Amino acid sequence: GAVVSQHPSRVICKSGTSVKIECRSLDFQATTMFWYRQFPKKSLMLMATSNEGSKATYEQGVEKDKFLINHASLTLSTLTVTSAHPEDSSFYICSARATGTGNEKLFFGSGTQLSVL
Amino acid sequence: DQQVKQNSPSLSVQEGRISILNCDYTNSMFDYFLWYKKYPAEGPTFLISISSIKDKNEDGRFTVFLNKSAKHLSLHIVPSQPGDSAVYFCAASARLTGGGNKLTFGTGTQLKVEL
Repeated sequence: GAVVSQHPSRVICKSGTSVKIECRSLDFQATTMFWYRQFPKKSLMLMATSNEGSKATYEQGVEKDKFLINHASLTLSTLTVTSAHPEDSSFYICSARATGTGNEKLFFGSGTQLSVL
Repeated sequence: DQQVKQNSPSLSVQEGRISILNCDYTNSMFDYFLWYKKYPAEGPTFLISISSIKDKNEDGRFTVFLNKSAKHLSLHIVPSQPGDSAVYFCAASARLTGGGNKLTFGTGTQLKVEL
């Protein structure tokens, strides 16, 4: 099946620094990628929808200036957590969908555990 | 506001028996439901889905049942196998009202199939 690679799998950073997370579709072109966040014992929460070549669409309550999303190519989307604070510590996971397909063909990365000290 | 709820955080079943995972939702606009399976250190993978125009969908050992009036769906796995041990997420979307892109997930149920 299709593979989505997410990197890094784990990152620890100091408060105030920025962290970039990459999401790559390895064997298909993804015009749409999604970024989720998961707190312990909570569900995956959609943060934003990333469309190749255009601005991301953010869900209500998600700060677009804090969570910068770039989808510069059909195989790569990045999420940058700017000026990270301890409350940003969470599990971030991306997903990608091939052009013209539905949620049955939504492939997820393995996630990034962010810890902000 | 948790619109999709999986009230059982864990479930333990013996190999060969039936596993029943439950999911409840509150948003009546949801018209498409999916189940994803997640192993540790991996992303969720699609398992089975059902549209609100159906009440049952079957794929091999996996069957999903939908009770729209109760806003409840369940995933049945029979017979359960040790390799089915994973976290199962229920997800919903509102395709007819343009919300097909947005999946709302439950909190997941950890299934453990014991020998």
